[in-house]
Amino acid sequence: DAGITQSPRHKVTETGTPVTLRCHQTENHRYMYWYRQDPGHGLRLIHYSYGVKDTDKGEVSDGYSVSRSKTEDFLLTLESATSSQTSVYFCAISDEVYMNTEAFFGQGTRLTVV
Amino acid sequence: AQKVTQAQTEISVVEKEDVTLDCVYETRDTTYYLFWYKQPPSGELVFLIRRNSFDEQNEISGRYSWNFQKSTSSFNFTITASQVVDSAVYFCALSQYNQGGKLIFGQGTELSVKP
Repeated sequence: DAGITQSPRHKVTETGTPVTLRCHQTENHRYMYWYRQDPGHGLRLIHYSYGVKDTDKGEVSDGYSVSRSKTEDFLLTLESATSSQTSVYFCAISDEVYMNTEAFFGQGTRLTVV
Repeated sequence: AQKVTQAQTEISVVEKEDVTLDCVYETRDTTYYLFWYKQPPSGELVFLIRRNSFDEQNEISGRYSWNFQKSTSSFNFTITASQVVDSAVYFCALSQYNQGGKLIFGQGTELSVKP
């Protein structure tokens, strides 16, 4: 199994508070992604990173920011959590994207905003 | 626009039945990649297969087989002699060449295999 660890695995937070989710990899893969999973929508890309300090927006990036200061860590921050951000968040990593090798996913973080 | 459609939201079968999960995709690119992932009740996402747009050969892996047809923009997944352990949500996904490996997922099909 690919070495991807998400923390925390579960979190309940109040509306309006900032929240940071962490993704840590031990595979030295260049590319990292954050997706959210919601019923009826499958998984949707929030942000991704193609290297240290290199990030870009995905399909549903509003209300989220990311940072990547080291190859192994990719942080997702909800600046001011809203109930619509209640979801399951998955981190993924990928190596050689020009050949579009498969992405490997972390175990997910279940976030509830009350 | 790029899109993946899994029209079957839920499928229920009895053990040992064969079942096919449908996946239809849209893309204007000539080079792209298709994937299937399995999400068992424990929640993790498990990679099953990757297929590039230049390879239309069908693939078989044990009880699993995949039928890729560019003419109909479909990449269907068949489980032969289904088992209870096959119960999961299955996702089809599309990735375009030189787009940073970003995946576009279908909505998923929840398969329930009853004993």
